Parts: sequence; C-alpha cells; structure tokens
Amino acid sequence: DSGVTQTPKHLITATGQRVTLRCSPRSGDLSVYWYQQSLDQGLQFLIQYYNGEERAKGNILERFSAQQFPDLHSELNLSSLELGDSALYFCASSPARGGTDTQYFGPGTRLTVL
Amino acid sequence: AQSVSQHNHHVILSEAASLELGCNYSYGGTVNLFWYVQYPGQHLQLLLKYFSGDPLVKGIKGFEAEFIKSKFSFNLRKPSVQWSDTAEYFCAVNANTGFQKLVFGTGTRLLVSP
Repeated sequence: DSGVTQTPKHLITATGQRVTLRCSPRSGDLSVYWYQQSLDQGLQFLIQYYNGEERAKGNILERFSAQQFPDLHSELNLSSLELGDSALYFCASSPARGGTDTQYFGPGTRLTVL
Repeated sequence: AQSVSQHNHHVILSEAASLELGCNYSYGGTVNLFWYVQYPGQHLQLLLKYFSGDPLVKGIKGFEAEFIKSKFSFNLRKPSVQWSDTAEYFCAVNANTGFQKLVFGTGTRLLVSP
C-alpha cells in the first residue's frame, strides 16, 4: 500500500458523459500527478499540481481538467467522453515539487466508456 | 523531448534464470532514472532509482540497474528470478530540471515459470 488512495476503482459510463476521479495523496505530500495508461499510448503523464497550483502539463486533452484543493486532494475531470478515453488513470504523489522526488502511485481508476 | 525505449516487450524465463531488461532513453541533458514494477492487479511500485553518484544502483527484491551514460542506457538486472517476479516492468526518466514529469517506456511483461 503506497498511501495514495483513488476513488472510484472502476467507472463505467457512456460517450458524451462527464466523470470525476478523485485522488488523496500520501500524508504530507504536496505534489499530485495524474497519468493515463492505455493499451495504445502506454503510460502518459497528464498534469502535476503542487500545493494547489498547476506545476507541469503533459499530454492532457482540453476536455480534461484537474485541480488540487486546500486539503491537497485532487480531482481529474473528464468531459465529453469518447471511447478512446477508456483507460486506467493513475494518481501519484510526492513530498515536494520536482527534481529527485520519488512518486508514489495509487491503485488507479479503471474508466470504461461505452 | 525525452523518450524511453524498452526493447523487450515480453520475456519468459524459468525460475533461477538471470534477467536483464533493456532501457534506453533519449535526452541530451542530465536525467533521473527509475524502474517501476506493476504486479498483476496492483499499482506501480518503485524498484530503484538513479539520480547521481555510483552508476550501479541496488533496489528492492534483489534488483539492480546500471546507468551507462555513454550508451544512454539504464538496464535492469536480477541474477536469479522467482515466480513472484512475474509482473510488468517500466523504465522511466525525468529531466533533471526541477520538474517531475515522468516519461515512461512501453513496459516489459515478464513471465517466470516455476
């Protein structure tokens, strides 16, 4: 158990819908990262937040957005869902904002878009 | 942009065989290097990491990796694998610029037969 929690574990929804994935970082960690793991794209970095502010952006679609709240939990919002958004979404956390930090991964949320 | 190549997509070994998984990265500057493991149905866990110093890094569960700067490689090794090592292994890199965007390889699925 890494100490990072993600809810829900599984999510099944239809195209065009909007969903919210939630992540609670390890106690004391200030950074939260979101990754998408799909069969065709592999593991891809989406976005990082540090202490409530966006820190780095990766291959995140405009239909996707994220935020980090004052209690440091983070939410990833996916809207206008398409079949291709079906994937495993991982959250990770680290103590600080970059450099040589180790990222600790959560168990993931498996999103299925029908 | 950084990229990571893992040349072996699937590896099948018998117990007690030696393991070496290749990882090459593409980036001209200083990098931090990681190997993560994902056991079936579980989250990503850090096996080992290299930031600086001794290029031979020892990790958990008897794994080690060697950073060869001239070859842009960070190969993972284990002298004698066990059935419990069956998992997917990911090499990852981030540029040592203070940002923590991890770029992952496509992963290597290892199957160890008893």
